[in-house]
Amino acid sequence: GAVVSQHPSWVICKSGTSVKIECRSLDFQATTMFWYRQFPKQSLMLMATSNEGSKATYEQGVEKDKFLINHASLTLSTLTVTSAHPEDSSFYICSASGGIGSGNEQFFGPGTRLTVL
Amino acid sequence: SQQGEEDPQALSIQEGENATMNCSYKTSINNLQWYRQNSGRGLVHLILIRSNEREKHSGRLRVTLDTSKKSSSLLITASRAADTASYFCATADTGTASKLTFGTGTRLQVTL
Repeated sequence: GAVVSQHPSWVICKSGTSVKIECRSLDFQATTMFWYRQFPKQSLMLMATSNEGSKATYEQGVEKDKFLINHASLTLSTLTVTSAHPEDSSFYICSASGGIGSGNEQFFGPGTRLTVL
Repeated sequence: SQQGEEDPQALSIQEGENATMNCSYKTSINNLQWYRQNSGRGLVHLILIRSNEREKHSGRLRVTLDTSKKSSSLLITASRAADTASYFCATADTGTASKLTFGTGTRLQVTL
């Protein structure tokens, strides 16, 4: 199957700093990428959907100015958590889809664990 | 977005037994998918069943879908300790076929 990577796999930062997480599709072109967050022992919550070359669509309740998403190429999307606070500590997972031609299947990255001190 | 409900929330069985997990959802769907997640790891896609299908098999996995009841079940036969993980259903709505809504998950523990 298609491979999606995330970097870093974990990050610890101080409150007030910004953190960038990368999501890459390694062997296919991802027309759409999705960002999820997951709190311990809970399910995945979709944060936003991004299409290459256009602005991301955020889910209700997700602050677009806090969670900046850039999908500049067909193989890379980035999520920047700006001015991070301890409540932003979570597991962030991205997924990538090649679009309708690929059956709309999403391929998930391994996740990034963010801890904000 | 509204999440689906899964039950049970947690399930503990012995190796060799079968495990059944149920998922209910609220909207009309294009397809329903099941994923496995080992602790602190990413998701592994297990199986996809389309809205016009009623049952699907893949190895030791059997998935059923009842669109009239808006429910699905995942059966894992002859469970192994390596099946210990969290299992999530996810629905793709008819309006936005690529967007997934995840259920609350079932934590499965298989003991020797």
